[in-house]
Amino acid sequence: NAGVTQTPKFQVLKTGQSMTLQCAQDMNHEYMSWYRQDPGMGLRLIHYSVGAGITDQGEVPNGYNVSRSTTEDFPLRLLSAAPSQTSVYFCASRQRDNQPQHFGDGTRLSIL
Amino acid sequence: GNSVTQMEGPVTLSEEAFLTINCTYTATGYPSLFWYVQYPGEGLQLLLKATKADDKGSNKGFEATYRKETTSFHLEKGSVQVSDSAVYFCALSGSGGSYIPTFGRGTSLIVHP
Repeated sequence: NAGVTQTPKFQVLKTGQSMTLQCAQDMNHEYMSWYRQDPGMGLRLIHYSVGAGITDQGEVPNGYNVSRSTTEDFPLRLLSAAPSQTSVYFCASRQRDNQPQHFGDGTRLSIL
Repeated sequence: GNSVTQMEGPVTLSEEAFLTINCTYTATGYPSLFWYVQYPGEGLQLLLKATKADDKGSNKGFEATYRKETTSFHLEKGSVQVSDSAVYFCALSGSGGSYIPTFGRGTSLIVHP
């Protein structure tokens, strides 16, 4: 049982480049979320989805896009990378609103 | 809106000491409460949960009781080990129609031999 799988684990980008962080879950969970984690800032929600075809913005959505064409996949796109987007990114999923979240191992992203 | 407040760390203890990490919350309705643990270089993992008032969640020697009267969900362990060194997050979800879970800032625990 793979759970939540994030790829890549590490990535270095140059300012202005674009890329997609992949997230896939095999638990048939309806809810999926993207967070970024920065020192001293805790977890901050970027975007979330409550089902295929439904997405919404979280606390820090600027500079990021998401889509949810299938239940399993929830990719996060950086449109034009900026140094302020250097962070560790976590994808999470859960079955229902009041259920615990399952987290991936994270993507460590550096923007030069 | 919803909020979760955790004690700031780091919390530094000697092995076999008693651990308490305080967590209080503000929420509408009857949220579910969670403690997650994050080991270095890893994602968050569920440690324990409680879904209604007076429920006690427990796992790996850790315990927390859902106290609605004091809006608290304090994490406790009777005897910590070096391997418990990690960051602990208190969280809630399922409150007032919001689909967005609320996390505390996290508390770093360092256990010395």
